[in-house]
Amino acid sequence: NAGVTQTPKFQVLKTGQSMTLQCAQDMNHNSMYWYRQDPGMGLRLIYYSASEGTTDKGEVPNGYNVSRLNKREFSLRLESAAPSQTSVYFCASSVGTTRETQYFGPGTRLLVL
Amino acid sequence: DQQVKQNSPSLSVQEGRISILNCDYTNSMFDYFLWYKKYPAEGPTFLISISSIKDKNEDGRFTVFLNKSAKHLSLHIVPSQPGDSAVYFCAASDKGSSNTGKLIFGQGTTLQVKP
Repeated sequence: NAGVTQTPKFQVLKTGQSMTLQCAQDMNHNSMYWYRQDPGMGLRLIYYSASEGTTDKGEVPNGYNVSRLNKREFSLRLESAAPSQTSVYFCASSVGTTRETQYFGPGTRLLVL
Repeated sequence: DQQVKQNSPSLSVQEGRISILNCDYTNSMFDYFLWYKKYPAEGPTFLISISSIKDKNEDGRFTVFLNKSAKHLSLHIVPSQPGDSAVYFCAASDKGSSNTGKLIFGQGTTLQVKP
């Protein structure tokens, strides 16, 4: 039982390049989330998908797009990467309500030069 | 504007002693609070939670206290063990987010438990 998986684990981009971070969960969860973690800032919500077919902005959505491909998969796209997007990105999933635990993936470390 | 604040970036305690991690919040609509623990190179994992209708919740060595009037919660670890060394995140949600699972996290506190 893999839980939440993320690919890639590490990526280096040049300013202006694009890339997609992939996330998949095998727990049949309804809700999925993308966070970024920066020193001194904690975890900040970028986008979330409360259920298949819906997506909503979180605290820091600028510069990102998301796709809820199906119930299992939720991808995060950087169309034109900027150094300010250097961060560790975490995907998470939950059954659907805040009273349910969010399960996190291992993270993707992104460096934008 | 940081709605959930963990003002101590780090904390160091001796093994066997009590660790107290603090968290303050500003949004009076928050009604559910959680603590997550994170080891290096891993994702955060859920530790313990508390609803605003309670002022204490206990799970083994971990106890969370909630003071609604002060908008403050704390996590007590007794006794502390070296394996507890990690980053601890406080998180909160409001009733309006109850159907989405949306959480607001604090900045995190790095706990070091010395043998």
